[in-house]
Amino acid sequence: GNSVTQMEGPVTLSEEAFLTINCTYTATGYPSLFWYVQYPGEGLQLLLKATKADDKGSNKGFEATYRKETTSFHLEKGSVQVSDSAVYFCALSDRGGNTGKLIFGQGTTLQVKP
Amino acid sequence: DADVTQTPRNRITKTGKRIMLECSQTKGHDRMYWYRQDPGLGLRLIYYSFDVKDINKGEISDGYSVSRQAQAKFSLSLESAIPNQTALYFCATSAGLAVAGDTQYFGPGTRLTVL
Repeated sequence: GNSVTQMEGPVTLSEEAFLTINCTYTATGYPSLFWYVQYPGEGLQLLLKATKADDKGSNKGFEATYRKETTSFHLEKGSVQVSDSAVYFCALSDRGGNTGKLIFGQGTTLQVKP
Repeated sequence: DADVTQTPRNRITKTGKRIMLECSQTKGHDRMYWYRQDPGLGLRLIYYSFDVKDINKGEISDGYSVSRQAQAKFSLSLESAIPNQTALYFCATSAGLAVAGDTQYFGPGTRLTVL
């Protein structure tokens, strides 16, 4: 079945450091891929998405490229800020069944220190 | 005002009690979802609904039931709560694949503790 695997957390970085959070997926067909972010005490918010191979999603300085050949959608940011501290979820949507259901990775906690 | 609201935000209850969690949305979306979040497991789908008459089980529906009272309202019930249902519960909505590229919009969550 479809699945998403994220790198283990927590990830602790100093402000202005480079961020990579790895995400790989297993899916039949051509899923859409997402990164959601959950700030402390809040619900999930869409951070970025990509709907086909080689698409790059970007938002708030974060980027991720849909790599079909490596089944990956790694999240990157060139210079993190304390305000980026949150839990990040990679997810895919199974478009083949037309259900729109999201399958989530386990989440990666990012802590950015001043 | 928030587009997707959930009530209550926090609830502590005892084993065996019946609990209802409510979700309302003003986004005009047809599709609504209930997830639970557990540490280290991400979010898992409990139930989803494509319209008032179309309700489907997700991967972990045992012990839960739902009601879609209207397009804007989707309730989750625990008929007889047990401690391993202690979790953070999220409601989400989406417009459908053809309209918005699958994006789901989440409520703020309900933290449920079953003693």
